[in-house]
Amino acid sequence: AQKVTQAQTEISVVEKEDVTLDCVYETRDTTYYLFWYKQPPSGELVFLIRRNSFDEQNEISGRYSWNFQKSTSSFNFTITASQVVDSAVYFCALSEEYNAGNMLTFGGGTRLMVKP
Amino acid sequence: DGGITQSPKYLFRKEGQNVTLSCEQNLNHDAMYWYRQDPGQGLRLIYYSQIVNDFQKGDIAEGYSVSREKKESFPLTVTSAQKNPTAFYLCASSSYSPGTYNQPQHFGDGTRLSIL
Repeated sequence: AQKVTQAQTEISVVEKEDVTLDCVYETRDTTYYLFWYKQPPSGELVFLIRRNSFDEQNEISGRYSWNFQKSTSSFNFTITASQVVDSAVYFCALSEEYNAGNMLTFGGGTRLMVKP
Repeated sequence: DGGITQSPKYLFRKEGQNVTLSCEQNLNHDAMYWYRQDPGQGLRLIYYSQIVNDFQKGDIAEGYSVSREKKESFPLTVTSAQKNPTAFYLCASSSYSPGTYNQPQHFGDGTRLSIL
């Protein structure tokens, strides 16, 4: 069975600091997909990134970057030069290939608070 | 604009009452999902549907019911059998057809349900 663990329940930083959110996953499949979502205070989940298990290249999108390491089953998310608008709950999720219904297994989330 | 619309934003339930949460999408997505989120916790899957007139139970289906009569609509009924319905409910949709598996789920703004 699959599992996603986000060990950091809350992180507090001061604006302009860099911050890394950890995500560790478990799966028996060799092909799987990993996702990150952002949940701002308004409540909706915003999709940030999808990565398949065969693509271990790091990805950068503006101030966001993702580090995928199969050897440690981790898919960590770094925000560079954090801003107050980054304050939100961030979820990591896993989807095994061919699972019925495209279902996602979510981690418990990490609440990030960026103080001015 | 394409998206997912959930209504109402806030809902109050009396003892012994069934209430229905609406979810409509105009993304032409085949699959739709309902999640429950409790304070400080991750998302748990209630029900999902891959095609019209078919749906499957998720991890916490007891006390809930759904229907999928139209591709665009996936209403969730919280029945009186659900003894602890106070939570934030999120609806999502995704593409689901050969060649488009494991696509990201897109979420609505959520409905916050409370007991009177």
